[in-house]
Amino acid sequence: DSGVTQTPKHLITATGQRVTLRCSPRSGDLSVYWYQQSLDQGLQFLIQYYNGEERAKGNILERFSAQQFPDLHSELNLSSLELGDSALYFCASSAHAAYGNTIYFGEGSWLTVV
Amino acid sequence: AQSVTQLGSHVSVSEGALVLLRCNYSSSVPPYLFWYVQYPNQGLQLLLKYTSAATLVKGINGFEAEFKKSETSFHLTKPSAHMSDAAEYFCAVSAEDSSYKLIFGSGTRLLVRP
Repeated sequence: DSGVTQTPKHLITATGQRVTLRCSPRSGDLSVYWYQQSLDQGLQFLIQYYNGEERAKGNILERFSAQQFPDLHSELNLSSLELGDSALYFCASSAHAAYGNTIYFGEGSWLTVV
Repeated sequence: AQSVTQLGSHVSVSEGALVLLRCNYSSSVPPYLFWYVQYPNQGLQLLLKYTSAATLVKGINGFEAEFKKSETSFHLTKPSAHMSDAAEYFCAVSAEDSSYKLIFGSGTRLLVRP
C-alpha cells in the first residue's frame, strides 16, 4: 500500500459526459502528480500541483482540468469525454518537489468511455 | 531533453532463469533513476531507486539494477525468475525541470514460463 488513495477505482460513462477523479496523497505529501496510462500512449504526465498551486503541465487536454485543495487532496476533472479518453488515470504524490524525490503511485482509476 | 528507452516490449523467461530488463537513459545532469513494477490490474510499485550512493542498487523481491554511466544504462536483473514476477516493468528518470516529475520508458512486459 503506497498510501495514495484514488477513487473511484472503476468508472464507466458515456461520451460527452463529465467525470471527477479524486486523489488523497500520502499523509504530509505536498506534491501531487496526475498521469494517464493508455495502450497506445504509455504513461503520460498530465499535470502537477504543489501545495495547492499548479506547478507543471504536461500533455493535458483543454477538456481536462485539475485542482489541489487546502487539505492537499486533488481532483482531476474530465469533460466532454471521448472514446479515446478511456484509460487508467494515476495519481501520485511526493513529499516535496525536488530533484530525485521518490514518487508514490495510487492504484489508479479505470475510466471507460462508451 | 531527458528520455528513457526500454529495449524489448516483451521479455519471456523460464521459471528459475535470469531476468534481464534493459533501460537506457538520456540526461544532461547526473540522473536519478527508478524502476517500477505494475502487476495486472494494480498500480505502480517502486522496485528500486538509484541515487548515486552506489552503482549497484538492491530493490524489493530480489531485484537489483546496476548504473553504468559510460553506457547510460540502468538494467534490471533478478537471478532466478518466479511466476509471481510476471508483470510490466517501467524504468523512469527524474525530470530536471521544476516539476521533478518522472519520465517513463514505454515498459517491458515480463512473461514467466513454467
